[in-house]
Amino acid sequence: DVKVTQSSRYLVKRTGEKVFLECVQDMDHENMFWYRQDPGLGLRLIYFSYDVKMKEKGDIPEGYSVSREKKERFSLILESASTNQTSMYLCASSTGQGWGNEQFFGPGTRLTVL
Amino acid sequence: GDSVTQMEGPVTLSEEAFLTINCTYTATGYPSLFWYVQYPGEGLQLLLKATKADDKGSNKGFEATYRKETTSFHLEKGSVQVSDSAVYFCALSDAYSSASKIIFGSGTRLSIRP
Repeated sequence: DVKVTQSSRYLVKRTGEKVFLECVQDMDHENMFWYRQDPGLGLRLIYFSYDVKMKEKGDIPEGYSVSREKKERFSLILESASTNQTSMYLCASSTGQGWGNEQFFGPGTRLTVL
Repeated sequence: GDSVTQMEGPVTLSEEAFLTINCTYTATGYPSLFWYVQYPGEGLQLLLKATKADDKGSNKGFEATYRKETTSFHLEKGSVQVSDSAVYFCALSDAYSSASKIIFGSGTRLSIRP
């Protein structure tokens, strides 16, 4: 069974802390994505990666960075967490072969910044 | 740019009612179209997809037909169940986008009364 896993389901951090969200996929996918999900706003793309060590900004990259040192792992970093980063964070992956491919999602991490 | 517009929720229906969730899209190329579903406390999972005009995607009693002339991909189900209560996202992936990025609608929350 294909799987995308995220390191935590729930996380509570304080303003100014550095936060790491980890995502691992076991499908040998080239593409990986980080989204945040907020009520009424749907999913917004933060960053994505189409290969190891390659990354591109999505629609809302400000305040975030990412790291992809291995093909299966894609990390989202909040350099200095702020209360407006309280959200649900979803990781996804997809194959790089062909086009119009579906994305497979992890269960999400609900982050609260106090 | 590409975009997806879907009907706002919440939508509340009685069990066995007919369901339609409207979705229209704007795209410069020839997109693939998707419906994703998010059950409470979970990540998104693919419900169905269609990759070219007049294709019909179907799964678990849900159907959607890719209508290029009306740029629509409406989700339908003939008889809903309580277990269908979830948030539904219409989405597209343009063949020309890097890493097969997917653009999501804002989601429609569906609640089914017993």
